[in-house]
Amino acid sequence: DAGVIQSPRHEVTEMGQEVTLRCKPISGHNSLFWYRQTMMRGLELLIYFNNNVPIDDSGMPEDRFSAKMPNASFSTLKIQPSEPRDSAVYFCASSHDIGRVNQPQHFGDGTRLSIL
Amino acid sequence: GQQLNQSPQSMFIQEGEDVSMNCTSSSIFNTWLWYKQDPGEGPVLLIALYKAGELTSNGRLTAQFGITRKDSFLNISASIPSDVGIYFCAGQLNAGGTSYGKLTFGQGTILTVHP
Repeated sequence: DAGVIQSPRHEVTEMGQEVTLRCKPISGHNSLFWYRQTMMRGLELLIYFNNNVPIDDSGMPEDRFSAKMPNASFSTLKIQPSEPRDSAVYFCASSHDIGRVNQPQHFGDGTRLSIL
Repeated sequence: GQQLNQSPQSMFIQEGEDVSMNCTSSSIFNTWLWYKQDPGEGPVLLIALYKAGELTSNGRLTAQFGITRKDSFLNISASIPSDVGIYFCAGQLNAGGTSYGKLTFGQGTILTVHP
């Protein structure tokens, strides 16, 4: 079975540019999560969706960050304008029915983002 | 908010040795998960625990859900070089409230295994 698929795997861009990260969850999963990982702060939850609806975006650092889930098989995380401090590895994860017992989250391989 | 303290931060061991790491929380969870992350990859689920007191094994890995629901440990027996990586604990609430369904991660334990 295909796991969570993220693209691109690596992104290098100059500050001020718009960055779009993409995620395809595991087929049949209806909960999707975006995380950011840095050395200083570890793994942080940015936002999560259930049945394509954003449930909690309290982890989104600021208005420059936005996320969408137009359908059950695709989500995007956008940063506009990007800043050097946004450099991190961004992970997408998915699961069945958020919060249900026996439904752990499965992670993609991440997008390594570098803002120059 | 909830915080997880994971220890040790790093371990350097010889191949064949046993390893133990643990996580403690300031509040209760009703699910504990252990993930492993290899360089350049995402965290991979190793073991999931759903009941207080539960002891679960996956090959050479054994994990327990603490009876107080505020802690968990992971043991690796007879370590091998491919055990190298970062191990994360994560706690989850499967009940109502603002933390519903969210994972809270520990800081990670970096494991190095010398052949």
